Amino acid sequence: KNEVEQSPQNLTAQEGEFITINCSYSVGISALHWLQQHPGGGIVSLFMLSSGKKKHGRLIATINIQEKHSSLHITASHPRDSAVYICAVDPSGSRLTFGEGTQLTVNP
Amino acid sequence: DAGVIQSPRHEVTEMGQEVTLRCKPISGHNSLFWYRQTMMRGLELLIYFNNNVPIDDSGMPEDRFSAKMPNASFSTLKIQPSEPRDSAVYFCASSSRANTGELFFGEGSRLTVL
Repeated sequence: KNEVEQSPQNLTAQEGEFITINCSYSVGISALHWLQQHPGGGIVSLFMLSSGKKKHGRLIATINIQEKHSSLHITASHPRDSAVYICAVDPSGSRLTFGEGTQLTVNP
Repeated sequence: DAGVIQSPRHEVTEMGQEVTLRCKPISGHNSLFWYRQTMMRGLELLIYFNNNVPIDDSGMPEDRFSAKMPNASFSTLKIQPSEPRDSAVYFCASSSRANTGELFFGEGSRLTVL
């Protein structure tokens, strides 16, 4: 069993839909990262959180430490949100463990 | 700031050749990470430096791989000799704090070993 599991693996949505991507992990962590990788390959850090909720524009990330679960939400999705979203956890000492990623496609 | 700068962006080489990938972290960041991404294994940490000192190199696949950080503004990842299974995208990332800071990634270096 992977230490970090994401669901779904693939997600197709219509523009405007509310999107949720889930991440479950099995180890204690000091922080959890959500990353976005565009088709061109570049990786952007969206959030780093260790508790509660963070919001940036149309993106919201939540984490429940007790349940070892995090969600990434996208409100009013847009085709430019199409990308791979990667969850990564930091058990300690900066050795990030990555999920396999969720491929999101938002159709106009 | 220009962000994390990696070079080359693409490299195609033949098996057995030496490959050197370069990274310039964001100025003021004291942690630098080298990651490798493949279809089969996803993203993996190879090595990370804190204040130019290698802290964790347990992800370096074998002795053919080596990484250096001679100063705060430059790091190299070297593969010698290269093998086809080394073909991957290699990302460098930097952070202002090793285990609590946001990561900033370079654009990656796509390596193809024939």
